[in-house]
Amino acid sequence: GENVEQHPSTLSVQEGDSAVIKCTYSDSASNYFPWYKQELGKGPQLIIDIRSNVGEKKDQRIAVTLNKTAKHFSLHITETQPEDSAVYFCAAKGTGGFKTIFGAGTRLFVKA
Amino acid sequence: DTAVSQTPKYLVTQMGNDKSIKCEQNLGHDTMYWYKQDSKKFLKIMFSYNNKELIINETVPNRFSPKSPDKAHLNLHINSLELGDSAVYFCASSPRVLAVETQYFGPGTRLLVL
Repeated sequence: GENVEQHPSTLSVQEGDSAVIKCTYSDSASNYFPWYKQELGKGPQLIIDIRSNVGEKKDQRIAVTLNKTAKHFSLHITETQPEDSAVYFCAAKGTGGFKTIFGAGTRLFVKA
Repeated sequence: DTAVSQTPKYLVTQMGNDKSIKCEQNLGHDTMYWYKQDSKKFLKIMFSYNNKELIINETVPNRFSPKSPDKAHLNLHINSLELGDSAVYFCASSPRVLAVETQYFGPGTRLLVL
């Protein structure tokens, strides 16, 4: 079945450093790749997404890259701040599919 | 102006009891979902409704019964609660079921079964 693998499961960085989270997906029909941030005690919230016709997308300190051939996509956070500390989920969905498949999540700790 | 709301936020109950969680979205979306998040933060889809019609029913015990009275509401009733049901339950919605669009999550209901 469809699967999304996410690495690392835990990531600890110093404030100001960059953080990279990587995901791979199995279903070649996937063409939409959102990233969610879940803060403590809250529901996941979309922070950025990318569609399969685009290789890279950037929004201020956050960027996402997509390699359709390798079925990889990654989240890059630059100049990390303590408020970036949260659990991040990657996900994949295809047109015509009912389900969004989520990765297992990455706990990001940004040390001040 | 809450987009996806859930009640209650916290639910503590004894094993064997029956409980319900309610969800409402005011986004005008057609599709709603229930997810279960365990202690390791893994998000597992349970059910999805599109315009009041059940479209996803994962391998969930039949003690769990969703109900969608209209497309803005999706409730989850749980019979004979077990210790393993303790988790955070998230409701979510998206505009259209087969489109590639984001899901909007509620704040979660933290269920603790004693």
